[in-house]
Amino acid sequence: EIVLTQSPGTLSLSPGERATLACRASQSLSSNSLAWYQQKPGQAPRLLISDISTRATGIPDRFSGSGSGTDFTLTISRLEPEDFAVYYCQQYGGSPVFSFGPGTRVDFK
Amino acid sequence: EVQLVESGGGLVQPGGSLRLSCAASGFNFNPYSMNWVRQAPGKGLEWVSYITGDSVRILYADSVKGRFTISRDNAKNLVYLQMDSLRAEDTAVYYCARSVRGQFDSWGLGTLVTVSS
Repeated sequence: EIVLTQSPGTLSLSPGERATLACRASQSLSSNSLAWYQQKPGQAPRLLISDISTRATGIPDRFSGSGSGTDFTLTISRLEPEDFAVYYCQQYGGSPVFSFGPGTRVDFK
Repeated sequence: EVQLVESGGGLVQPGGSLRLSCAASGFNFNPYSMNWVRQAPGKGLEWVSYITGDSVRILYADSVKGRFTISRDNAKNLVYLQMDSLRAEDTAVYYCARSVRGQFDSWGLGTLVTVSS
């Protein structure tokens, strides 16, 4: 079973700062199927990054994804006020077929 | 514009049943795989079930296997989740989500299911 862990649990930053969120898989992902989602309170999740590093339609270029094997990173280069939210990573193709990490909350310092 | 609209949530007693529906619009529904993903109050996301466009491949999370059934009606652009033998731990917002290459690119707003006596 592939388990995703995310760190830190909470990231306290100010607008304009750089955010670096980590996602670690318990086993190497056999494909590039690692995605990142943003969720704001009371809203559905939104796909940010697919296939490790491909920005979804309409996602600003301050969001970027990287990594391989078991270690992946979501970077927000300069935080905007609307970026304060919870971020989840998700893998596909392992066991279970789909799974999410527990999330990282980015909140105001 | 892709739209997914869930319905059918509500309050149900433990052991009861509920059927959720997801109405899709704004895209060619038939080829796409569809999913249900849930989120318990204050908790993270949990994938529940998956169905391919032709309904040939169907998958469930271990937590719901044998109790939940996913299906779709391509003529009506609908996806369903039949939930039986409901438990308190099934209480959650249930999202309908479209998947492409295993990633969920469109989501509905969700429907709340509360299992309580």
